[in-house]
Amino acid sequence: DAGVTQSPTHLIKTRGQQVTLRCSPKSGHDTVSWYQQALGQGPQFIFQYYEEEERQRGNFPDRFSGHQFPNYSSELNVNALLLGDSALYLCASRSGGDWTGELFFGEGSRLTVL
Amino acid sequence: GIQVEQSPPDLILQEGANSTLRCNFSDSVNNLQWFHQNPWGQLINLFYIPSGTKQNGRLSATTVATERYSLLYISSSQTTDSGVYFCAVERYTNAGKSTFGDGTTLTVKP
Repeated sequence: DAGVTQSPTHLIKTRGQQVTLRCSPKSGHDTVSWYQQALGQGPQFIFQYYEEEERQRGNFPDRFSGHQFPNYSSELNVNALLLGDSALYLCASRSGGDWTGELFFGEGSRLTVL
Repeated sequence: GIQVEQSPPDLILQEGANSTLRCNFSDSVNNLQWFHQNPWGQLINLFYIPSGTKQNGRLSATTVATERYSLLYISSSQTTDSGVYFCAVERYTNAGKSTFGDGTTLTVKP
């Protein structure tokens, strides 16, 4: 049973660049959400996708956008990178419907912005 | 939005000792999970426990939803228990958005 997988695991970008992170949900899951975790803090909710639409969004600027594909995988895009975007980006998945089920996380993509 | 407070922020134990981690939340929730974050950053599921008590080996958890808190118990701690423990909650009115506490950093010394 494949868990949540994310790529790449590490990447380095410079200010102003754009980045795309990818996520495949756990087998049988159709809802994907993204979180940002700064050093020493808990993860912060960015947004959630279900049926290829953004369903919930946290307090993040429009520079953060996403997409969900028909196979339920997802991408997180961040434009015009800032130094403060350096963080661990976590993808999570669960079964859809009422979104009250257990959430499972991937290993994360660690982004460094120079 | 809902506030989640975890205590203590840091905990240092000798191997074999027991510990209790606490998670307080400011409003009613319909989801609550405990996670252990390993040194590589992955969040490992410990318990999905919106209410009641569950046990898994040396770990157990209790959530008293009416009083808005949850406890994670670790017995006979091992060095491999070291890491950061997070509590995450969701409200029905904001289903899908998990709010995390700032975590408890546990260090178990041999």
